[in-house]
Amino acid sequence: AQRVTQPEKLLSVFKGAPVELKCNYSYSGSPELFWYVQYSRQRLQLLLRHISRESIKGFTADLNKGETSFHLKKPFAQEEDSAMYYCALRDYGQNFVFGPGTRLSVLP
Amino acid sequence: NAGVMQNPRHLVRRRGQEARLRCSPMKGHSHVYWYRQLPEEGLKFMVYLQKENIIDESGMPKERFSAEFPKEGPSILRIQQVVRGDSAAYFCASSLMTGGGTDTQYFGPGTRLTVL
Repeated sequence: AQRVTQPEKLLSVFKGAPVELKCNYSYSGSPELFWYVQYSRQRLQLLLRHISRESIKGFTADLNKGETSFHLKKPFAQEEDSAMYYCALRDYGQNFVFGPGTRLSVLP
Repeated sequence: NAGVMQNPRHLVRRRGQEARLRCSPMKGHSHVYWYRQLPEEGLKFMVYLQKENIIDESGMPKERFSAEFPKEGPSILRIQQVVRGDSAAYFCASSLMTGGGTDTQYFGPGTRLTVL
């Protein structure tokens, strides 16, 4: 069965430091991977998807099929990046499987 | 476009009562998804519906839970005879589902259900 893991429940970094939120998945086919973000008191929203190969708010994520990973990275964290981040996988049935989430706290 | 709307935002029920959660998708969206987030856990898929059809309910508990998305009106997630373990945040998402099949889901703000 498909599964998404995010090993860190909480990640704290200082402003200006690089940040990497880890995501690993298990899926027998070719998955579609996403990162969702939920800022304080706001709804969950899409941050980026691997097929777009885009950089949003300075974040990038590369799908590594060999390591079955889709880590989210940003070279210089900002305080406004503090939020809950969810890695998600979509299977052929269009169903989403979400990871447990990582709370990113960017300290001043 | 107001985005995905869910109501109520907070719902308190006593054990054994029924809970009805509503989701109005974004305008023009005909696909709705329901997710549950238990405390300290990630989002878990429950059910995927199109207008008047349940496409996939593999994540839905077999008993007490049901969902519908009528031709007119919001999608309803119904929980009968609620128990304390049903306390969670329930999120709805909608998508346009273009012919390409890869489509963004837009999430509502969620309904927080508390069972006393």
